Parts: sequence; C-alpha cells; structure tokens
Amino acid sequence: GPKVLQIPSHQIIDMGQMVTLNCDPVSNHLYFYWYKQILGQQMEFLVNFYNGKVMEKSKLFKDQFSVERPDGSYFTLKIQPTALEDSAVYFCASSSGLGGRITGQLYFGEGSKLTVL
Amino acid sequence: GDSVTQTEGLVTLTKGLPVMLNCTYQTTYSPFLFWYVQHLNEAPKLLLKSSTDNKRTEHQGFYATLHKSSSSFHLQKSSVQLSDSALYFCALTHNSGTYQRFGTGTKLQVVP
Repeated sequence: GPKVLQIPSHQIIDMGQMVTLNCDPVSNHLYFYWYKQILGQQMEFLVNFYNGKVMEKSKLFKDQFSVERPDGSYFTLKIQPTALEDSAVYFCASSSGLGGRITGQLYFGEGSKLTVL
Repeated sequence: GDSVTQTEGLVTLTKGLPVMLNCTYQTTYSPFLFWYVQHLNEAPKLLLKSSTDNKRTEHQGFYATLHKSSSSFHLQKSSVQLSDSALYFCALTHNSGTYQRFGTGTKLQVVP
C-alpha cells in the first residue's frame, strides 16, 4: 500500500540544538500533517500543510517550530531551539485530498523518535 | 469545539472473548469517523471509517456503526485474538475541518 517515509527514525540531541525531521509523503497526496505522540499515548495534532502553506496549527506548534516543503521535496518539521518537552515521537501523515476533501484517511509514517537531553 | 472521547485507557481480555471499545464525539458538523490501530513501534493504520448514519462498516473482523443520534462510533469484534493487542484510536473530522482530531486511545491487551 501507499507508504510515508520518515527520516530519521531516532534522533538524540542536546537541549537548545536544532533538529529537522524529514517526511516523504505518499506520491500525489496533497495534504500533509505532523502529529506528536508522547509515551505511546494520545496523537496530538501539530500542524497541517497544503499548497505550500500552513492551513492550521495547534497550540502545541510553538514559535520554535516550522514546516516547509521546498519544491516538492521532503516535508520537514524543524525545531529550533529544542526544549526538554519536545521529546516525543513525531508522526508525519498525508492524505490524498481528492476533490479538495480533507475527509479521507490518513497514511502515517513510522515516526521519528526525538530525545532531547 | 470538536472533541473525541474514548473512556477506556486499558482493556484486558482473554483470547476468544468479544470486545467493544467506546468512542463518542462532539461536533456541530456532519462527522467523518475513523478507527486507527497502532501496534507497538509501528505507524497507526486505518481500520475503519464511516460517515453514514446507522450503517455498519467492517474490516478484518472488526466492525462499527456510526450513530449520529448518540454521537457514537464504538468498535467491536466478536472474538479477539492475541494479534489484536494494540493501541486503538478513534478520530473525527468533517468537511469544514482541516485535520483529524484523535481521542486519547485505548490500549487493548489480549491474554491467552
């Protein structure tokens, strides 16, 4: 089936450093998302992205966070600077957006586990 | 605003027994409901979805019916297997939404 690729699968960094999480969404999908999951618990929405722009972001999407997808390459989540509370698994997801609809299923990547020391 | 409620954090069952995982939601829009399953250290995957009132949807032995009158979309299976042990999320969106809102998740633990 369709696959979303995430790189890296694990990253350990010191507090205050910058980290970039990369996502290769399903080909031809139009909507991209980042979700945050702590300790295998709730999937919390961070941000979504469509047509080169952020559509909506949650209160968890702090000023230190940014997303972009330059020229159809990786969809990235950058955190600069990182804080201890940013330790979590970050899941990238995409949906097709067929007919302009946001109501299709999400396809998730395997997650990027970020540990901030 | 929109919300999704999953009341059980952990459900432990013996193999072969039936299960029902609860999901209720709140929205003023016409809802689209989803169940995702996440096995340990894996990506969440779609299990079921529905936007049709009172119509049962089934996949891999699991089933659910969207009941708009009670704002519910409970997940059921008649006989759980050890391989069903996983985290189950209910999620909500609608045509005026911009993302899927997830419930807190229910961990299903099936024991021999």
